[in-house]
Amino acid sequence: SAVISQKPSRDICQRGTSLTIQCQVDSQVTMMFWYRQQPGQSLTLIATANQGSEATYESGFVIDKFPISRPNLTFSTLTVSNMSPEDSSIYLCSVLGLAGFYEQYFGPGTRLTVT
Amino acid sequence: AQSVSQHNHHVILSEAASLELGCNYSYGGTVNLFWYVQYPGQHLQLLLKYFSGDPLVKGIKGFEAEFIKSKFSFNLRKPSVQWSDTAEYFCAVIVHGSGNTGKLIFGQGTTLQVKP
Repeated sequence: SAVISQKPSRDICQRGTSLTIQCQVDSQVTMMFWYRQQPGQSLTLIATANQGSEATYESGFVIDKFPISRPNLTFSTLTVSNMSPEDSSIYLCSVLGLAGFYEQYFGPGTRLTVT
Repeated sequence: AQSVSQHNHHVILSEAASLELGCNYSYGGTVNLFWYVQYPGQHLQLLLKYFSGDPLVKGIKGFEAEFIKSKFSFNLRKPSVQWSDTAEYFCAVIVHGSGNTGKLIFGQGTTLQVKP
């Protein structure tokens, strides 16, 4: 399994500002994903971070709001732009397991509160 | 659109009670099925998975799940729960088709509270 770290672990931000969340993996992985878990709800996929190309966004999520970078096979960032209180969530990155079989391993998450 | 339903949102059990958490999905094609667990203050962990073969799969910590294709279900079971099983449990599905990229579709989650 992969070991995934995220920074920051939590933050409190003012509306209108932006926050960049970092995801670091201890091994090279082909696929990385970003999820959002809103309070009391399940996980929703925001986008798939592709190395060397633009991220692939799910319906309801756009690049201007959630720009993603994937400069190499072990690192990705997600920026939450022009934040509003509705963006208060836990943001998680995950990676596809090295053995394939579509197993995903999740980072510890970043708890974001927008005031 | 594919969806995953978990029928129990909040379950409270006493220690040693048996557990069954329901999970149904809406997709008629090939699927891979997962249960993830999130203990308080910890990150999501894979509990067990089904890809093919024996529909009864065993996971960590004494959990098991049965894939019943005809019922589109993948219920999670444990014969005797412990206080340490208190956690949030998520059922998830990957559907296979054109353009599949390993996208996980999660259920709403079930909060299990085990009373000592």
